[in-house]
Amino acid sequence: AQSVTQLGSHVSVSEGALVLLRCNYSSSVPPYLFWYVQYPNQGLQLLLKYTSAATLVKGINGFEAEFKKSETSFHLTKPSAHMSDAAEYFCAVTSAGGTSYGKLTFGQGTILTVHP
Amino acid sequence: NAGVTQTPKFRILKIGQSMTLQCTQDMNHNYMYWYRQDPGMGLKLIYYSVGAGITDKGEVPNGYNVSRSTTEDFPLRLELAAPSQTSVYFCASSYSMNPQETQYFGPGTRLLVL
Repeated sequence: AQSVTQLGSHVSVSEGALVLLRCNYSSSVPPYLFWYVQYPNQGLQLLLKYTSAATLVKGINGFEAEFKKSETSFHLTKPSAHMSDAAEYFCAVTSAGGTSYGKLTFGQGTILTVHP
Repeated sequence: NAGVTQTPKFRILKIGQSMTLQCTQDMNHNYMYWYRQDPGMGLKLIYYSVGAGITDKGEVPNGYNVSRSTTEDFPLRLELAAPSQTSVYFCASSYSMNPQETQYFGPGTRLLVL
C-alpha cells in the first residue's frame, strides 16, 4: 500500500519569500514521487519527478525537491516566490512493484497563496 | 498537438440522469486514466485502460462505467447520477504504466448533480 500526506492545506507567502510545501509518503517498495501543479480552472501539470536517479530534483519554474529516504519526505521548495506561483500543488507517489505498480496516489493538495 | 481534451467543461445533472464524459488524446498513448477530484481529498483513480478493449477498476469505480474502443478515446459513463458524484473529473494519459512515466492531464469536467 502507498499513501501521501501533504502537511498544510493552505500556505501563504510574500512575493520573494521562500516557498516550502511539505510531502511525506508511505510505500512498501521503493517509490517514485511527483509534484504536480494545478492553476485555477486548469488540469494538472508536472512540475518535477523523482525516479531514483538523483535525490535532488530540479523542475520547471525554479522549483526543486529533495528525496529523503530516512525521513520519507519529498518537500517542494522555491527560493523566491512569484505571484504567478499561486496555485494548488499535489504530491503523488507510485511504485515499481505490487498492486500499486504505475498507479498514482495523490496527496490532498496544498493551496499556495502569494501576497504582494 | 492538443494533448488530452475533455468535453464538456461543465454540466449540471439531475439525480438519476445519465451522461458520458468524453476524453480524447492525440499522443498515441496506450494508457489512459479517469480521476475524480473532491475538495481537500486529492485525486482518486476511478478506472484505467492499458489499451483498446482493456480496462480495469481503480480505487473508486462504483457508479461508473468505461469503454475503450480506440487508442484515442476513453469515455466515462455515469448511468444513474447521484449527488455523491458531484466532483471534478480529470482524464489523463501516459505512454506506458512504467512508474517513471509522466501522466498528462486534460483540463477537467466539472459535474454538479442536483
